[in-house]
Parts: sequence; structure tokens; C-alpha cells
Amino acid sequence: QKEVEQDPGPLSVPEGAIVSLNCTYSNSAFQYFMWYRQYSRKGPELLMYTYSSGNKEDGRFTAQVDKSSKYISLFIRDSQPSDSATYLCAGKGAGGTSYGKLTFGQGTILTVHP
Amino acid sequence: DGGITQSPKYLFRKEGQNVTLSCEQNLNHDAMYWYRQDPGQGLRLIYYSQIVNDFQKGDIAEGYSVSREKKESFPLTVTSAQKNPTAFYLCASSIRSSRGTDTQYFGPGTRLTVL
Repeated sequence: QKEVEQDPGPLSVPEGAIVSLNCTYSNSAFQYFMWYRQYSRKGPELLMYTYSSGNKEDGRFTAQVDKSSKYISLFIRDSQPSDSATYLCAGKGAGGTSYGKLTFGQGTILTVHP
Repeated sequence: DGGITQSPKYLFRKEGQNVTLSCEQNLNHDAMYWYRQDPGQGLRLIYYSQIVNDFQKGDIAEGYSVSREKKESFPLTVTSAQKNPTAFYLCASSIRSSRGTDTQYFGPGTRLTVL
């Protein structure tokens, strides 16, 4: 079993829809959770960064972490064609030997069509 | 203009040849990382380095080697021992914040194709 599982999709939605992207993880040591967005043939760019459980909102994006169920979500409101990309979730431990070591999900391919 | 640069963007090599991928950062970040990305597999960690002259193996280090002689540079060599080297290679760097966290920032990647 992979430490971070993510449905690869592809996911196709109409412009303006609310998008829900999800990951599950198995490593209880994970304390930090990230969402990266990756456009085709480009490097990933950090979208959201959360610590432990709870919600974090940034514009149209909301990241949600539920540590009790080991579930990570990213919601995109009013989705735009420019949101079409691969979305990667990642988890990381709190420090020590796990410093900097991210574990990524497989990535979900999202297409928002006009 | 700060950031992470990787060169070249596309690289073609014959089977059995070693090849070195370049990664440079001018962000003054302490840690640097190499990942490999294959379709449907996400990113997998090859090697990482927290300080100059020190580096650790990641999850898939076999067939790869690295060096960290300078803070800003972390080249990756794909050796002939790597069984399936064709992939998209991503370099990242991070700096530890005062809270003890660190965030990784990625370069644009190098697509290696072995013929």
C-alpha cells in the first residue's frame, strides 16, 4: 500500500463548478500536508500548505485535513479553465530524520472545460 | 531573479551512457532534492541533501549518484546501472523556517529520454 493514495482521475468539470480533490494517507507521523499544482511539462508549484487537522482558505482554494480519518482534501470554487492541471497532494513528518522528506500521491489530472 | 534552474530541458542519450542533470538555486536554501516523475506514479525521491558535502538516499537511489560541493548546486548523474532511466526529473530546494517547517520549491524539470 502506498503511503499516500490519490485517485489519478482524469477529472473533467465545466467552468464554474466546485472541484473536490482527495487523498488518503497511512503514515500517522505526517504533520504537514501540501497541495501542489503542476501544469503540463512544468515543475510543481506550491498551492496550499497546512499543519495538522483543520481548514485553510486562500482565495478560491480550501485545503482540509482530517487526521482522525487520514483524509486530505482540496476544494476549488468557481473553477476556471486555467485550473486545468495535475494536482499533487503530499505529506511530511514533523522533523528529525523526516526533515524535508515529502511523500507524494500519484496526482489527479483535472480539466475544466469552458 | 531568484529561483531554481534545471538544464537542459530535454535530454536524449543512448542506452549505457551516463548522463548528468544540472540543478542550480540562488534562493540560499539549505536543502536540495531530486525526484523522478513517471506517468501515474507521482513524484519519487531519489536523493536529498540538507547541507553541503552531505546527502542521503531517497526511496529509489539505485542507479543514481549525486554531489553537493556547493550550496547552490546539486547535480544528479543517471548511470548506466539505472534500469529504466527515461523519466521527468525534478529538482527542489527548501529552507527551514523559524517554526521548524520547510517548504519545497521545484525547478522546471528535465525530461530524459534514453534511446
